[in-house]
Amino acid sequence: QKEVEQDPGPLSVPEGAIVSLNCTYSNSAFQYFMWYRQYSRKGPELLMYTYSSGNKEDGRFTAQVDKSSKYISLFIRDSQPSDSATYLCAMTYSGGGADGLTFGKGTHLIIQP
Amino acid sequence: SQTIHQWPATLVQPVGSPLSLECTVEGTSNPNLYWYRQAAGRGLQLLFYSVGIGQISSEVPQNLSASRPQDRQFILSSKKLLLSDSGFYLCAWSDGLAGGPNEQFFGPGTRLTVL
Repeated sequence: QKEVEQDPGPLSVPEGAIVSLNCTYSNSAFQYFMWYRQYSRKGPELLMYTYSSGNKEDGRFTAQVDKSSKYISLFIRDSQPSDSATYLCAMTYSGGGADGLTFGKGTHLIIQP
Repeated sequence: SQTIHQWPATLVQPVGSPLSLECTVEGTSNPNLYWYRQAAGRGLQLLFYSVGIGQISSEVPQNLSASRPQDRQFILSSKKLLLSDSGFYLCAWSDGLAGGPNEQFFGPGTRLTVL
């Protein structure tokens, strides 16, 4: 079983819709959960991270972590064509060391104008 | 603020030729540095990481090597490229603080095509 599972998509939604992106994981030691956005042919850009369970909001983006279910989500409200990108989840544990991030393979999101 | 540079942006090399990709970070001291390869459908594969000058850890056995000659410089090399070395190479840094989230910040990447 892979440590982090993420549906590769593509996920196609109309402009203005609420988008839900998800990852599941198997390692219960993970405590920090991150979301990266990657535009085509560019490096990933860190959007936000959360610690342990709960929600965190940043503008149109909300990250949600449910450690009991080993499930994390990223919600995008009022989606825009500029949100079209690949979204990668990543996670680690406190004191995990320099090599600590475990990435999902990414979900390709398309926002249709 | 911190900035990470990679060059070249794109590279086309013949099989068997050598490789040198460079990464530099500005605005931080003693960062952890990383080399990843991203291939279609395979996600991010960690190749090497470094916690200090001259300290290199390899995650995947391959014909690539890495070096860190200066605190904020990380180099990925190969003596003889293989077709399978084609991909998008990303350098990243983190602050390396113990107990923190160790979030990594990525450079713009180098797209390597081996023919």
